[in-house]
Amino acid sequence: AQSVSQHNHHVILSEAASLELGCNYSYGGTVNLFWYVQYPGQHLQLLLKYFSGDPLVKGIKGFEAEFIKSKFSFNLRKPSVQWSDTAEYFCAVNAGAAGNKLTFGGGTRVLVKP
Amino acid sequence: DAGVTQSPTHLIKTRGQQVTLRCSPKSGHDTVSWYQQALGQGPQFIFQYYEEEERQRGNFPDRFSGHQFPNYSSELNVNALLLGDSALYLCASSDGTGGRPQHFGDGTRLSIL
Repeated sequence: AQSVSQHNHHVILSEAASLELGCNYSYGGTVNLFWYVQYPGQHLQLLLKYFSGDPLVKGIKGFEAEFIKSKFSFNLRKPSVQWSDTAEYFCAVNAGAAGNKLTFGGGTRVLVKP
Repeated sequence: DAGVTQSPTHLIKTRGQQVTLRCSPKSGHDTVSWYQQALGQGPQFIFQYYEEEERQRGNFPDRFSGHQFPNYSSELNVNALLLGDSALYLCASSDGTGGRPQHFGDGTRLSIL
């Protein structure tokens, strides 16, 4: 069975600091990888996705993620965070043979101090 | 362009009761998935509907059932409610089943007393 682990449950940063959130998954086959964000009081929104090709993918709001197949990782990064990046971030995996089913990590709550 | 809409937004039930949650997918989407998100955890996949049939199912008991209508909207039914069913229930839609990005609704917050 697939599983996804996110290394940090809570992260506190100051504005302009760099952010990196770890995500590792367990599945040996082809995967599609996603990062979703949930801002306070809002629904889950897609930040970025990886299906194939360039392992460095760029998403909305200055976020990017790198797929490292040998490490089963898909870490999310942002060079300089803003107060508005305060949110909960979820990594999710869809195994290629598993239709649309998403397996989510436990989430990381990010608090950016102004 | 309407996104995914869910109703009701909040619901309070007692143990043993039954509940029905509703979802209308984003315009142009034909596939609906349901997820349960317990407090402090990531969403967990319940099942997915496509062409009015359940196509995939997660590790949830038969008390959880669903339906998809010809207009692609969907219902999630839970029978014999338990305290542990208290959670946020999320509906997500996509165009097709092949790993397409899913769009989520705001969820229904279900509280069991």
